[in-house]
Amino acid sequence: SQTIHQWPATLVQPVGSPLSLECTVEGTSNPNLYWYRQAAGRGLQLLFYSVGIGQISSEVPQNLSASRPQDRQFILSSKKLLLSDSGFYLCAWSVSGYYEQYFGPGTRLTVT
Amino acid sequence: KNQVEQSPQSLIILEGKNCTLQCNYTVSPFSNLRWYKQDTGRGPVSLTIMTFSENTKSNGRYTATLDADTKQSSLHITASQLSDSASYICVVSAEGFQKLVFGTGTRLLVSP
Repeated sequence: SQTIHQWPATLVQPVGSPLSLECTVEGTSNPNLYWYRQAAGRGLQLLFYSVGIGQISSEVPQNLSASRPQDRQFILSSKKLLLSDSGFYLCAWSVSGYYEQYFGPGTRLTVT
Repeated sequence: KNQVEQSPQSLIILEGKNCTLQCNYTVSPFSNLRWYKQDTGRGPVSLTIMTFSENTKSNGRYTATLDADTKQSSLHITASQLSDSASYICVVSAEGFQKLVFGTGTRLLVSP
């Protein structure tokens, strides 16, 4: 069966510090991978998606970047965090060409 | 503009009672509509997915309906349980599965 992992589960970082969130998927090959952010009281916002290694599409211009160094690894980064980067970050995967997206457990990021 | 609106924002019901959550969307071209359940601090979990040709789909005590003409969907929960307490998110897909539009969710609390 397929599983998706995210870490860390929670993170508190000062403004201006770097960020690295990691997502890995097990039990499938060549998945589509997604990064979402969920701000308090808001719907999920798609940040990045990837259909293959090294292929990243950005949906929203922002202070964040994403990379996919391996088939089942997706990383969300920032060089300098802003207060507005606080939120709940979710990674998801889907089988290429299929509707369903499966979400990870999420990372709660608080920028102070 | 592609939008998904959900109502009510929050709802409190007694255990054992039924409830219906509403979703209106303006997403075009329509591909499919999904309902997700999100427990606090967790990633969303899919309940149902419906395409244009489907007008009802059930998953246990959850029944979703879709009226593609009026662009409305509902999620009916039967014989509610305490574990149903969560946020329920309506998500509409446009232009394929990479483009999802999320509602802000309905927060349901089932009280004993």
